[in-house]
Amino acid sequence: DTGVSQDPRHKITKRGQNVTFRCDPISEHNRLYWYRQTLGQGPEFLTYFQNEAQLEKSRLLSDRFSAERPKGSFSTLEIQRTEQGDSAMYLCASSPKDPQVLFFGEGSRLTVL
Amino acid sequence: AQRVTQPEKLLSVFKGAPVELKCNYSYSGSPELFWYVQYSRQRLQLLLRHISRESIKGFTADLNKGETSFHLKKPFAQEEDSAMYYCALIPSGTYKYIFGTGTRLKVLA
Repeated sequence: DTGVSQDPRHKITKRGQNVTFRCDPISEHNRLYWYRQTLGQGPEFLTYFQNEAQLEKSRLLSDRFSAERPKGSFSTLEIQRTEQGDSAMYLCASSPKDPQVLFFGEGSRLTVL
Repeated sequence: AQRVTQPEKLLSVFKGAPVELKCNYSYSGSPELFWYVQYSRQRLQLLLRHISRESIKGFTADLNKGETSFHLKKPFAQEEDSAMYYCALIPSGTYKYIFGTGTRLKVLA
């Protein structure tokens, strides 16, 4: 197992376009998280799943953002009608039941022009 | 509101000097606290968690509930300790990590 993988690693898009990021967690991990990180800031919580259930969603996540984890394995994060303020690094992490330790992917960097 | 504060954006020390990276939190309950580290060109990874009371790579952190702090310490800094360090907490009853803004540690030769 190579750890948490994210795709694409970099995405440049024009304002108003939709983008989708994919995350493949460590296979035996039941929890999956999405975080966003901008320059000079720590990771900001967006949402997390336990198996296929989305258990919590941040108020930061406007209705343009949606995340899914359809079979409790990989997850997608879609951003519709992108805005320049969406430019950030989107981090995915997975965690086993115990201990509650996050294993991060390398991130997907989004640039909205 | 639950919050993690890391007051220093950058901390520079000489090799062999002691290091203390500050972390304060605001949370009324009993959180679980962590330090995560990101070395250059690597992904964010766990350094240590308060519940395990371990020393990892010479680093230790003690939870001080009275001062609501979880400072990271190392008696003798090494150049390979240069990295970005994030303090994080999980409020009890949730699985949601809250991160601080991070401190960049530079260890000078």
